[in-house]
Amino acid sequence: GQQVMQIPQYQHVQEGEDFTTYCNSSTTLSNIQWYKQRPGGHPVFLIQLVKSGEVKKQKRLTFQFGEAKKNSSLHITATQTTDVGTYFCADHSGSARQLTFGSGTQLTVLP
Amino acid sequence: DADVTQTPRNRITKTGKRIMLECSQTKGHDRMYWYRQDPGLGLRLIYYSFDVKDINKGEISDGYSVSRQAQAKFSLSLESAIPNQTALYFCATSDLSNTGELFFGEGSRLTVL
Repeated sequence: GQQVMQIPQYQHVQEGEDFTTYCNSSTTLSNIQWYKQRPGGHPVFLIQLVKSGEVKKQKRLTFQFGEAKKNSSLHITATQTTDVGTYFCADHSGSARQLTFGSGTQLTVLP
Repeated sequence: DADVTQTPRNRITKTGKRIMLECSQTKGHDRMYWYRQDPGLGLRLIYYSFDVKDINKGEISDGYSVSRQAQAKFSLSLESAIPNQTALYFCATSDLSNTGELFFGEGSRLTVL
């Protein structure tokens, strides 16, 4: 079935540094969603990308969908301690009826 | 109150015991899902249901069963729990909106000894 590879698995940054997580697929993605899970919490939807080359911003977060719709990225500018958590991408391509999640990137922000 | 409620939140049980995890939602969504989360493996789909009469296996359904008792209720059962079913379980809902975003419950942490 459709597999989405997410890297890196872990990332430690100093507060104020930037952070990026990547999702890659060997096949074309239909659309991609991003979720954030705080430590001890549950995943919370951040955004969905649908169009080739799409770029969306939410304050310090920038989401991109590749031109070939085979990859996506989440970039956080000037990280804060509130950004700590695990970020997941999720893909709808394998079946219109379900999402397949990447393995997640766990972000630690050192004060 | 949470829109998607899971019970129990934590459970420790022994190998061979039958366990039921329950999920109820007040969002009025037709679609409900059960996911399992293990460190480094992300969220893997166990079962999903698009309405009361629709039940579908996900990626890792072996050893699990589900029941959709009503639009608002979707329970997950482990008929005979085994230690490698120790994990964090999430129920989620979605509707037919453009994004189809998932709304997750708080999670049920299950430990099988």
